[in-house]
Amino acid sequence: GDSVTQMEGPVTLSEEAFLTINCTYTATGYPSLFWYVQYPGEGLQLLLKATKADDKGSNKGFEATYRKETTSFHLEKGSVQVSDSAVYFCASGPNTGGFKTIFGAGTRLFVKA
Amino acid sequence: DAGITQSPRHKVTETGTPVTLRCHQTENHRYMYWYRQDPGHGLRLIHYSYGVKDTDKGEVSDGYSVSRSKTEDFLLTLESATSSQTSVYFCAIRGGFADSPLHFGNGTRLTVT
Repeated sequence: GDSVTQMEGPVTLSEEAFLTINCTYTATGYPSLFWYVQYPGEGLQLLLKATKADDKGSNKGFEATYRKETTSFHLEKGSVQVSDSAVYFCASGPNTGGFKTIFGAGTRLFVKA
Repeated sequence: DAGITQSPRHKVTETGTPVTLRCHQTENHRYMYWYRQDPGHGLRLIHYSYGVKDTDKGEVSDGYSVSRSKTEDFLLTLESATSSQTSVYFCAIRGGFADSPLHFGNGTRLTVT
């Protein structure tokens, strides 16, 4: 079945460091791919998305490119801030005609001042 | 922000009692979902709905039932709460396109004593 695998955390970085959170997916079709972010005490919120191969999603300095050949959707940011501390979830789907979104396990990011 | 409200936000209940959580949306979205979030398990889908009176099971549906009698409301019922159902419950909604993202409520923290 479809699945999403993302790097385990926690990830701890100093402010202004470069961030990469790896995400790979398996899918029978060509689902849209998403990154969601969850701040303490809140629900998940959409960070960015990409709908087809080679699309790049971007928002708030974060970027991710839909790589069909490597089935990856890695999240990157050039210079993290303390306010980026949160849990990040990679997700795929649903496939055409389907209903379900598949989530990775989440990666907790701590950014130190 | 998508109009989605969960109630109650916090609840403490005793083992064996029935509990109903409510999700209300003002976006007229077709799809609604109930997830639970637990440490070490990420997000797990309980039930979902693809229209009024149209619902289906997710991966952890045992002990839960749902109802959707109108577009804006999706109810999750624990018929007889158990301690294993202590969790944070999130409702999410989604529009009708395949690349539509999920929009989450702020969650209900349920404690079963």
